Amino acid sequence: GAGVSQTPSNKVTEKGKYVELRCDPISGHTALYWYRQSLGQGPEFLIYFQGTGAADDSGLPNDRFFAVRPEGSVSTLKIQRTERGDSAVYLCASSLNTEAFFGQGTRLTVV
Amino acid sequence: QKEVEQNSGPLSVPEGAIASLNCTYSDRGSQSFFWYRQYSGKSPELIMFIYSNGDKEDGRFTAQLNKASQYVSLLIRDSQPSDSATYLCAVKRRGSTLGRLYFGRGTQLTVWP
Repeated sequence: GAGVSQTPSNKVTEKGKYVELRCDPISGHTALYWYRQSLGQGPEFLIYFQGTGAADDSGLPNDRFFAVRPEGSVSTLKIQRTERGDSAVYLCASSLNTEAFFGQGTRLTVV
Repeated sequence: QKEVEQNSGPLSVPEGAIASLNCTYSDRGSQSFFWYRQYSGKSPELIMFIYSNGDKEDGRFTAQLNKASQYVSLLIRDSQPSDSATYLCAVKRRGSTLGRLYFGRGTQLTVWP
């Protein structure tokens, strides 16, 4: 595709529910990252994939958060037992070398 | 102390002026420095990156890095209303993985006609 695609663009869920956020990176990009951006803050690192494996998952806030990239392309960020504090824009980015290209993000609202 | 500090602003300059955006970072071993622009409701887009001390120019944008002072700045010459956005400073620390950037909270810039 032309850019990083994230779906859905908006997601409203009830506290305690499970959600999945999808990221489709730029074709051929081996590196994929998830970040979370709260209102008025800069993006906060969550996890980084190189190929299929998570090279760095140290940014995941707790075990309710999990991400996969089974075929080295599309990635899914999974959040269990959502809490109101999880409300944020979840950004996905991909890169081939230095420059990371961000998707438009998924705005998650937990009510 | 946060990894990356930016004055959140807002910074307001008239059209045609020079806008100066500043950023400090805490880890002296940081290696790479990035400036992203983020329009309201949009995703960040890379403007410039800099690795070495000194200045790096690209069109109307100049990035300046001073590792001794742990300071990086972005100058925007001949500012245009279309430059109005939030500017995010990001840092790659030594030893961190390629994909892990530390972002500041951003400086909101408004260029008025």
